[in-house]
Amino acid sequence: AQSVTQPDARVTVSEGASLQLRCKYSYSATPYLFWYVQYPRQGLQLLLKYYSGDPVVQGVNGFEAEFSKSNSSFHLRKASVHWSDSAVYFCAVSVTGANTGKLTFGHGTILRVHP
Amino acid sequence: EAAVTQSPRNKVAVTGGKVTLSCNQTNNHNNMYWYRQDTGHGLRLIHYSYGAGSTEKGDIPDGYKASRPSQENFSLILELATPSQTSVYFCASGNWGGDYAEQFFGPGTRLTVL
Repeated sequence: AQSVTQPDARVTVSEGASLQLRCKYSYSATPYLFWYVQYPRQGLQLLLKYYSGDPVVQGVNGFEAEFSKSNSSFHLRKASVHWSDSAVYFCAVSVTGANTGKLTFGHGTILRVHP
Repeated sequence: EAAVTQSPRNKVAVTGGKVTLSCNQTNNHNNMYWYRQDTGHGLRLIHYSYGAGSTEKGDIPDGYKASRPSQENFSLILELATPSQTSVYFCASGNWGGDYAEQFFGPGTRLTVL
Protein backbone atom coordinates (compact mmCIF):
# COMPACT_ATOMS: atom_id res chain seq x y z
CA ALA A 1 0.00 0.00 0.00
CA GLN A 2 1.10 3.52 -0.66
CA SER A 3 2.19 5.89 2.10
CA VAL A 4 3.13 9.53 2.43
CA THR A 5 5.60 11.16 4.79
CA GLN A 6 5.79 14.85 5.55
CA PRO A 7 8.84 15.03 7.78
CA ASP A 8 8.27 18.55 9.04
CA ALA A 9 5.31 18.90 11.39
CA ARG A 10 5.78 22.66 11.69
CA VAL A 11 7.62 25.23 9.61
CA THR A 12 8.05 28.89 10.50
CA VAL A 13 9.32 31.46 8.02
CA SER A 14 9.36 35.22 7.70
CA GLU A 15 7.19 36.99 5.19
CA GLY A 16 9.00 37.38 1.90
CA ALA A 17 11.25 34.38 2.48
CA SER A 18 11.31 31.35 0.24
CA LEU A 19 9.61 28.14 1.29
CA GLN A 20 10.00 24.43 0.76
CA LEU A 21 7.69 21.84 2.29
CA ARG A 22 8.84 18.29 1.92
CA CYS A 23 6.88 15.25 0.88
CA LYS A 24 8.08 11.71 0.28
CA TYR A 25 5.91 8.87 -0.88
CA SER A 26 6.16 5.14 -1.02
CA TYR A 27 4.63 3.44 -4.02
CA SER A 28 5.93 1.00 -6.60
CA ALA A 29 4.87 3.03 -9.64
CA THR A 30 4.34 6.72 -10.31
CA PRO A 31 1.21 7.78 -8.51
CA TYR A 32 -1.02 10.79 -8.78
CA LEU A 33 0.45 13.41 -6.44
CA PHE A 34 -1.33 16.33 -4.83
CA TRP A 35 -0.78 19.23 -2.50
CA TYR A 36 -3.78 20.55 -0.60
CA VAL A 37 -4.02 23.54 1.74
CA GLN A 38 -6.35 23.86 4.71
CA TYR A 39 -7.10 27.24 6.25
CA PRO A 40 -8.52 27.38 9.77
CA ARG A 41 -12.01 25.88 10.11
CA GLN A 42 -12.21 25.14 6.40
CA GLY A 43 -12.05 22.17 4.10
CA LEU A 44 -9.11 21.28 1.91
CA GLN A 45 -8.38 23.18 -1.28
CA LEU A 46 -6.25 21.87 -4.10
CA LEU A 47 -3.00 23.75 -4.71
CA LEU A 48 -1.61 21.62 -7.50
CA LYS A 49 -1.35 18.09 -8.81
CA TYR A 50 0.99 15.92 -10.83
CA TYR A 51 -0.03 13.11 -13.10
CA SER A 52 2.59 12.93 -15.83
CA GLY A 53 4.86 15.05 -18.00
CA ASP A 54 6.93 18.03 -16.83
CA PRO A 55 8.08 17.21 -13.29
CA VAL A 56 7.67 20.83 -12.20
CA VAL A 57 4.03 21.76 -11.87
CA GLN A 58 2.60 25.17 -11.20
CA GLY A 59 -0.28 25.76 -8.84
CA VAL A 60 -2.33 28.57 -7.44
CA ASN A 61 -0.98 31.60 -5.57
CA GLY A 62 2.59 31.17 -6.80
CA PHE A 63 3.10 27.64 -5.50
CA GLU A 64 4.94 25.01 -7.49
CA ALA A 65 6.08 21.47 -6.80
CA GLU A 66 8.69 19.21 -8.29
CA PHE A 67 8.27 15.49 -8.75
CA SER A 68 11.38 13.35 -8.41
CA LYS A 69 11.01 9.70 -9.29
CA SER A 70 14.52 8.84 -8.13
CA ASN A 71 13.90 10.38 -4.72
CA SER A 72 10.19 9.44 -4.47
CA SER A 73 9.51 13.02 -3.55
CA PHE A 74 7.09 15.80 -4.39
CA HIS A 75 8.30 18.93 -2.59
CA LEU A 76 6.25 22.12 -2.54
CA ARG A 77 7.96 25.48 -3.08
CA LYS A 78 7.17 29.14 -3.11
CA ALA A 79 9.62 31.92 -3.91
CA SER A 80 8.20 34.53 -1.53
CA VAL A 81 5.62 33.74 1.13
CA HIS A 82 2.91 36.03 2.41
CA TRP A 83 1.38 36.03 5.89
CA SER A 84 -1.85 34.76 4.36
CA ASP A 85 -0.07 31.54 3.38
CA SER A 86 -0.20 30.48 7.02
CA ALA A 87 -2.18 27.23 6.96
CA VAL A 88 -1.82 23.46 7.09
CA TYR A 89 -0.45 21.83 3.96
CA PHE A 90 -1.13 18.22 3.05
CA CYS A 91 0.62 16.05 0.53
CA ALA A 92 -1.47 13.18 -0.87
CA VAL A 93 -1.05 10.31 -3.30
CA SER A 94 -3.38 8.08 -5.23
CA VAL A 95 -2.70 4.99 -7.26
CA THR A 96 -2.85 5.17 -11.03
CA GLY A 97 -4.74 2.66 -13.10
CA ALA A 98 -7.62 2.39 -10.66
CA ASN A 99 -10.85 4.28 -10.69
CA THR A 100 -11.25 4.58 -6.97
CA GLY A 101 -9.54 7.92 -6.55
CA LYS A 102 -8.67 6.95 -3.01
CA LEU A 103 -6.25 9.44 -1.50
CA THR A 104 -3.61 8.67 1.10
CA PHE A 105 -2.58 11.77 3.01
CA GLY A 106 0.50 12.74 4.92
CA HIS A 107 0.06 14.05 8.44
CA GLY A 108 0.34 17.64 7.27
CA THR A 109 2.77 20.51 7.82
CA ILE A 110 1.67 23.56 9.78
CA LEU A 111 3.10 26.66 8.14
CA ARG A 112 3.38 29.85 10.12
CA VAL A 113 4.49 33.00 8.34
CA HIS A 114 5.74 35.87 10.51
CA PRO A 115 4.51 39.24 9.19
CA GLU B 1 -17.30 25.87 -9.35
CA ALA B 2 -17.43 22.57 -7.53
CA ALA B 3 -19.73 22.59 -4.52
CA VAL B 4 -19.79 20.13 -1.65
CA THR B 5 -21.89 20.90 1.40
CA GLN B 6 -22.11 19.11 4.71
CA SER B 7 -24.66 19.11 7.51
CA PRO B 8 -24.62 19.61 10.35
CA ARG B 9 -21.47 21.69 10.70
CA ASN B 10 -21.24 20.93 14.39
CA LYS B 11 -22.76 18.06 16.35
CA VAL B 12 -22.65 16.95 19.96
CA ALA B 13 -23.80 13.38 20.53
CA VAL B 14 -24.01 11.05 23.49
CA THR B 15 -22.21 7.73 23.75
CA GLY B 16 -24.35 4.98 22.30
CA GLY B 17 -26.50 7.31 20.28
CA LYS B 18 -26.99 7.25 16.52
CA VAL B 19 -25.40 9.98 14.42
CA THR B 20 -25.94 10.70 10.74
CA LEU B 21 -23.68 13.08 8.86
CA SER B 22 -24.93 14.25 5.48
CA CYS B 23 -23.10 15.37 2.37
CA ASN B 24 -24.46 16.85 -0.84
CA GLN B 25 -22.59 17.63 -4.06
CA THR B 26 -23.81 19.53 -7.09
CA ASN B 27 -20.88 18.58 -9.35
CA ASN B 28 -22.42 15.44 -10.81
CA HIS B 29 -19.32 13.53 -9.73
CA ASN B 30 -19.48 9.77 -9.66
CA ASN B 31 -17.22 9.22 -6.65
CA MET B 32 -17.78 10.44 -3.11
CA TYR B 33 -15.67 9.96 -0.01
CA TRP B 34 -15.80 10.30 3.76
CA TYR B 35 -12.65 11.10 5.73
CA ARG B 36 -11.92 11.88 9.33
CA GLN B 37 -9.19 14.25 10.44
CA ASP B 38 -7.37 13.84 13.71
CA THR B 39 -4.29 15.58 15.01
CA GLY B 40 -1.22 13.57 14.12
CA HIS B 41 -3.03 11.43 11.54
CA GLY B 42 -3.91 13.72 8.69
CA LEU B 43 -7.03 12.58 6.85
CA ARG B 44 -8.03 8.93 6.80
CA LEU B 45 -10.57 7.37 4.45
CA ILE B 46 -13.62 5.78 6.10
CA HIS B 47 -15.95 4.89 3.21
CA TYR B 48 -16.34 5.81 -0.42
CA SER B 49 -18.78 5.30 -3.25
CA TYR B 50 -18.64 4.94 -7.04
CA GLY B 51 -22.22 6.03 -7.57
CA ALA B 52 -25.78 5.76 -6.36
CA GLY B 53 -26.37 2.54 -4.49
CA SER B 54 -22.71 1.67 -4.01
CA THR B 55 -20.58 1.91 -0.89
CA GLU B 56 -17.05 0.61 -0.31
CA LYS B 57 -14.94 0.29 2.80
CA GLY B 58 -11.99 2.61 3.13
CA ASP B 59 -9.01 2.26 5.42
CA ILE B 60 -10.81 2.72 8.77
CA PRO B 61 -14.46 1.57 8.31
CA ASP B 62 -15.04 -0.04 11.71
CA GLY B 63 -17.90 1.60 13.60
CA TYR B 64 -19.21 3.42 10.52
CA LYS B 65 -21.75 2.73 7.81
CA ALA B 66 -22.36 4.69 4.64
CA SER B 67 -25.31 5.24 2.36
CA ARG B 68 -25.44 6.65 -1.19
CA PRO B 69 -29.11 6.96 -2.11
CA SER B 70 -28.50 9.26 -5.08
CA GLN B 71 -25.72 10.76 -7.18
CA GLU B 72 -25.83 13.91 -5.05
CA ASN B 73 -26.05 12.55 -1.51
CA PHE B 74 -23.70 10.47 0.61
CA SER B 75 -24.27 9.89 4.32
CA LEU B 76 -22.03 8.60 7.08
CA ILE B 77 -23.80 6.77 9.88
CA LEU B 78 -22.54 6.04 13.36
CA GLU B 79 -25.01 3.51 14.77
CA LEU B 80 -23.49 3.48 18.27
CA ALA B 81 -21.33 6.54 18.71
CA THR B 82 -18.27 6.33 20.96
CA PRO B 83 -15.96 9.06 22.32
CA SER B 84 -13.17 7.74 20.05
CA GLN B 85 -15.25 8.92 17.09
CA THR B 86 -14.90 12.53 18.21
CA SER B 87 -13.25 14.12 15.19
CA VAL B 88 -13.70 16.40 12.21
CA TYR B 89 -15.32 14.65 9.26
CA PHE B 90 -14.85 15.70 5.66
CA CYS B 91 -16.83 14.68 2.63
CA ALA B 92 -15.38 14.93 -0.86
CA SER B 93 -16.52 14.28 -4.40
CA GLY B 94 -14.63 13.70 -7.62
CA ASN B 95 -14.36 11.96 -10.94
CA TRP B 96 -11.17 10.12 -11.57
CA GLY B 97 -8.73 9.46 -14.32
CA GLY B 98 -6.13 11.22 -16.42
CA ASP B 99 -5.75 14.94 -16.11
CA TYR B 100 -9.05 15.49 -14.31
CA ALA B 101 -8.24 13.40 -11.26
CA GLU B 102 -9.16 15.56 -8.28
CA GLN B 103 -11.30 15.61 -5.17
CA PHE B 104 -13.34 18.57 -3.98
CA PHE B 105 -13.87 18.84 -0.24
CA GLY B 106 -16.72 20.08 1.88
CA PRO B 107 -16.20 22.41 4.86
CA GLY B 108 -16.25 19.64 7.45
CA THR B 109 -18.42 18.54 10.37
CA ARG B 110 -17.05 18.76 13.89
CA LEU B 111 -18.45 15.86 15.91
CA THR B 112 -18.09 15.57 19.68
CA VAL B 113 -19.23 12.37 21.38
CA LEU B 114 -19.64 12.74 25.12
